[in-house]
Amino acid sequence: EPEVTQTPSHQVTQMGQEVILRCVPISNHLYFYWYRQILGQKVEFLVSFYNNEISEKSEIFDDQFSVERPDGSNFTLKIRSTKLEDSAMYFCASSEMPSGELFFGEGSRLTVL
Amino acid sequence: QKEVEQDPGPLSVPEGAIVSLNCTYSNSAFQYFMWYRQYSRKGPELLMYTYSSGNKEDGRFTAQVDKSSKYISLFIRDSQPSDSATYLCAITSFQKLVFGTGTRLLVSP
Repeated sequence: EPEVTQTPSHQVTQMGQEVILRCVPISNHLYFYWYRQILGQKVEFLVSFYNNEISEKSEIFDDQFSVERPDGSNFTLKIRSTKLEDSAMYFCASSEMPSGELFFGEGSRLTVL
Repeated sequence: QKEVEQDPGPLSVPEGAIVSLNCTYSNSAFQYFMWYRQYSRKGPELLMYTYSSGNKEDGRFTAQVDKSSKYISLFIRDSQPSDSATYLCAITSFQKLVFGTGTRLLVSP
């Protein structure tokens, strides 16, 4: 069964360092998303991406964040200068249609020290 | 008022019980409704997807939507210990999913 894959599963970084989280969405999906979940809190929307453009972003997704689809399969989230409060699980998701079923990856756990 | 409200639980039931999980939402523009299951430190797993009022059944799971009351439910029949997880409702009008806080369910053998 097709699935969304994410790497790394866990990354530990120092405050101020740049981090890139990688995702391979399901191959025939066209809409890509990043969500995050701080420990003990709810899953929060960060950004949606379609046709090589951001289509919607939340207040959390400030200038420190960027997304990219560098090739035909990968979708990345970059945090330019990490802060302690960026520590969270980051989930990539994809869907075939804009309001279709979203399928999530297993997540990348980011720990900022 | 929060966009999506969900009782965090925990909800403890014995094996074989019928479980009822609920969410309310405030924005009538929401049109698509999903239920996810999330095990500890794992990604949300899609259980049910619906966009109309009424019931949708899939095995032991039934999703119910009442748009007039802005109320959605997930029923689990014959609950199993393996159903122990956090259940998240998620609602959208276009691309951005808005999640509830999740209800933690514990099914004891």
